[in-house]
Amino acid sequence: RKEVEQDPGPFNVPEGATVAFNCTYSNSASQSFFWYRQDCRKEPKLLMSVYSSGNEDGRFTAQLNRASQYISLLIRDSKLSDSATYLCVVRGAGNNRKLIWGLGTSLAVNP
Amino acid sequence: DGGITQSPKYLFRKEGQNVTLSCEQNLNHDAMYWYRQDPGQGLRLIYYSQIVNDFQKGDIAEGYSVSREKKESFPLTVTSAQKNPTAFYLCASRIEGSTDTQYFGPGTRLTVL
Repeated sequence: RKEVEQDPGPFNVPEGATVAFNCTYSNSASQSFFWYRQDCRKEPKLLMSVYSSGNEDGRFTAQLNRASQYISLLIRDSKLSDSATYLCVVRGAGNNRKLIWGLGTSLAVNP
Repeated sequence: DGGITQSPKYLFRKEGQNVTLSCEQNLNHDAMYWYRQDPGQGLRLIYYSQIVNDFQKGDIAEGYSVSREKKESFPLTVTSAQKNPTAFYLCASRIEGSTDTQYFGPGTRLTVL
């Protein structure tokens, strides 16, 4: 089983749609969780950290379920500019704070 | 402006040549990282450094070398021993403390001909 698994997609949605991505992780001792966004041929950029209580930033909501070892990202009212690859990232359990990266879920928002 | 810079953006080299990729940050971050990204694969950690004059191998260090003589700089050398060097190379940094968030430079796309 991969340490971090995501549905690769692609997800094709119309503007204004709500879309949800899930990500599972294998190590129950994982400490920190993130969603990054990566545009084509660009560097990843932090979208949001994911907290146990869940957190919201505008149209984006992230949830963490430690019991089931998955995190989710919900995007409401999709915009064309949301088209990108969304990377699920988990910090490993060691002291070196290495991050473990999912392969990403591709989203295309269509007019 | 504060940030992480990588140069050059595109780099072409002949097979068998060593090449050094630059990574500089003025964020006063303690930790720095090198990743490579290939199509269809996630980011893979090459080397990382949590403090000046110290660095550790990541998951795919073979064929690469680094140095960390200054806090601001973490250059990566791709040696001729690296069998498949063509890739997108990303440098990241993180401030020491409670956060695990890493911030990335714009990347260098290396093509070995």
